[in-house]
Amino acid sequence: DTEVTQTPKHLVMGMTNKKSLKCEQHMGHRAMYWYKQKAKKPPELMFVYSYEKLSINESVPSRFSPECPNSSLLNLHLHALQPEDSALYLCASSQRIGLALDEQYFGPGTRLTVT
Amino acid sequence: KQEVTQIPAALSVPEGENLVLNCSFTDSAIYNLQWFRQDPGKGLTSLLLIQSSQREQTSGRLNASLDKSSGRSTLYIAASQPGDSATYLCAARYPGGGNKLTFGTGTQLKVEL
Repeated sequence: DTEVTQTPKHLVMGMTNKKSLKCEQHMGHRAMYWYKQKAKKPPELMFVYSYEKLSINESVPSRFSPECPNSSLLNLHLHALQPEDSALYLCASSQRIGLALDEQYFGPGTRLTVT
Repeated sequence: KQEVTQIPAALSVPEGENLVLNCSFTDSAIYNLQWFRQDPGKGLTSLLLIQSSQREQTSGRLNASLDKSSGRSTLYIAASQPGDSATYLCAARYPGGGNKLTFGTGTQLKVEL
C-alpha cells in the first residue's frame, strides 16, 4: 500500500478562523513533508519532519504551524491566514531522510480557499 | 543555484505517437531524479525514480533516462493514449538537502483522439 491520505479535500476559511489539515500514511515511513502549490506552479516545500522531529522549515510564516504527533500522522494548523495563502496543500512521505533511493509519495491534497 | 527546467511548457500530440519530455538541471551533483504525473487539481503520482548511478529506468510504456554530464533527463512515453494527458513534473534531489526536491516547472501534455 503506497497511499497517503489527506483530509479534508476542500476547505474554505475566513481570515480569522483556525483550522487544521490532516495527513496520514501507514507505510512505516519516517519522513513526512508539507508542500504548497499555487495554480500552474510546481510544489514548494514548506516543512520536513524526520522521525517526528521538525527537520526543515523553509522560512514559512508562523500562521502555519506543523505538528507530527506520531510516525503516521502529520497535521498543519492554520491561523489568521491571508487570501494569498489559498492554494493546494500537499502532504508527502518517504522512507527516511538521506536514503539514496528514497522516493516521495504524495497525497491527493487539500484545496484551501481563504476568504 | 540549483535550477530545474522543463521545455516545452505544453505539448499536444495525436494518440498513438511516441513522445519525449525533457528535464534539464544546472547542478550535475544530483542524488536522484524523480518523475511525477499530476492530473488537474490532484496530487502527484510518482512514475519513476532514477538514481544518479543509473542511466535508465523503465515501467510499462514509460522509460526515463539520466545523463548527469549533460544535466539532462528524458521521459519517453510509448504509444501515447488520451489517459496520459496530465502535467508531468521532474524533481531533482541533491545530497545534504534533507530530501528536498527541486521541481521543474512541468510540461502539460495533451493526447488527442
